[in-house]
Amino acid sequence: DSGVTQTPKHLITATGQRVTLRCSPRSGDLSVYWYQQSLDQGLQFLIQYYNGEERAKGNILERFSAQQFPDLHSELNLSSLELGDSALYFCASSPPGREETQYFGPGTRLLVL
Amino acid sequence: GESVGLHLPTLSVQEGDNSIINCAYSNSASDYFIWYKQESGKGPQFIIDIRSNMDKRQGQRVTVLLNKTVKHLSLQIAATQPGDSAVYFCAERTGRRALTFGSGTRLQVQP
Repeated sequence: DSGVTQTPKHLITATGQRVTLRCSPRSGDLSVYWYQQSLDQGLQFLIQYYNGEERAKGNILERFSAQQFPDLHSELNLSSLELGDSALYFCASSPPGREETQYFGPGTRLLVL
Repeated sequence: GESVGLHLPTLSVQEGDNSIINCAYSNSASDYFIWYKQESGKGPQFIIDIRSNMDKRQGQRVTVLLNKTVKHLSLQIAATQPGDSAVYFCAERTGRRALTFGSGTRLQVQP
């Protein structure tokens, strides 16, 4: 158990809908990262937050957004969902001063029908 | 559990043998490397890391070797056990950029 929690574990929705994925980092970690893992693409970095502020952006679609709250939990919002958005979404956190060492949560499996 | 990367390269070894998983990276400016293990239905789990100023680092039953000349990283697992069966990813980082993950290798341990 990495100490990173994610909810929900599974999510089934329809095209065009909007969903919110939630992540709680390990105690003391200020950085939160979001990744998408598809069957054919491996782990793709989406976005990073540090202590409430966006720090880095990867291949995140405009339909997707994220935020980190004062209690350091983070939410990833996915809107206008398409079939191709079906994937595993992972959150990771890292400790201050050791941001390169990321600890991953168990993931949310999203299925868009 | 969920399948990750159905078309991943696969390494099959006998229980008790040593395993070597290889990774080629592309950015010569990368200064930090990590190996992750991902079991079916779980998130990636940190195994071992190495900085670019080193060429070898050892952990418990695992050793990471870094060859910067040919941009190659390897993970050696000693006395491989059935519990080592998983997908293994290498990741690299350049400066303060985000990690870039490789495509992964599936390790299958035969009893």
